[in-house]
Amino acid sequence: DTGVSQDPRHKITKRGQNVTFRCDPISEHNRLYWYRQTLGQGPEFLTYFQNEAQLEKSRLLSDRFSAERPKGSFSTLEIQRTEQGDSAMYLCASSLARGTGKAFFGQGTRLTVV
Amino acid sequence: GENVEQHPSTLSVQEGDSAVIKCTYSDSASNYFPWYKQELGKRPQLIIDIRSNVGEKKDQRIAVTLNKTAKHFSLHITETQPEDSAVYFCASLYQTGANNLFFGTGTRLTVIP
Repeated sequence: DTGVSQDPRHKITKRGQNVTFRCDPISEHNRLYWYRQTLGQGPEFLTYFQNEAQLEKSRLLSDRFSAERPKGSFSTLEIQRTEQGDSAMYLCASSLARGTGKAFFGQGTRLTVV
Repeated sequence: GENVEQHPSTLSVQEGDSAVIKCTYSDSASNYFPWYKQELGKRPQLIIDIRSNVGEKKDQRIAVTLNKTAKHFSLHITETQPEDSAVYFCASLYQTGANNLFFGTGTRLTVIP
């Protein structure tokens, strides 16, 4: 599969626990985005990498959220001390910085905080 | 930052009729406008996109138009089919800063057989 892949697909966690999600972008894509999507809403931008550099973070991204892309390939998104309001679908997308810039999404990780 | 507004939030059409979804954006520097289709439980799929140097682009039954002056763009689906039923999202590439894609709130399209 040469598309964007995310792991896990589903995560149920107790409030207060830490969770980590992984995104593997399309191999030649140097841009990687994280979005959060709640029911009935469009994807909300969280953060963005170009290669290993995190270039932008949304104000939505509280101190409990951290993202990394250490080698410019896969990325991880960690949420510490999860809250019920963190329950959402977390989507990753990747694109090329040059050319058309078309962004392709992974299937997402659905987080449920109980 | 960029603000993308999308209308309507829901749209029902009879099979074979046309559907139009409209979006406006706020940042005049935005220059790339993709549309995504999201079926229930699935990832958003890119279906068509347009750059600011063209006014219209067509791909079979779908087309997108762009009015840079008014800062709005629209998705047109002709001869709708039941499999077109999904949530459609417009997006705008915000060129000021880090090139972030900002999304509208979505339109749930239902095609009635």
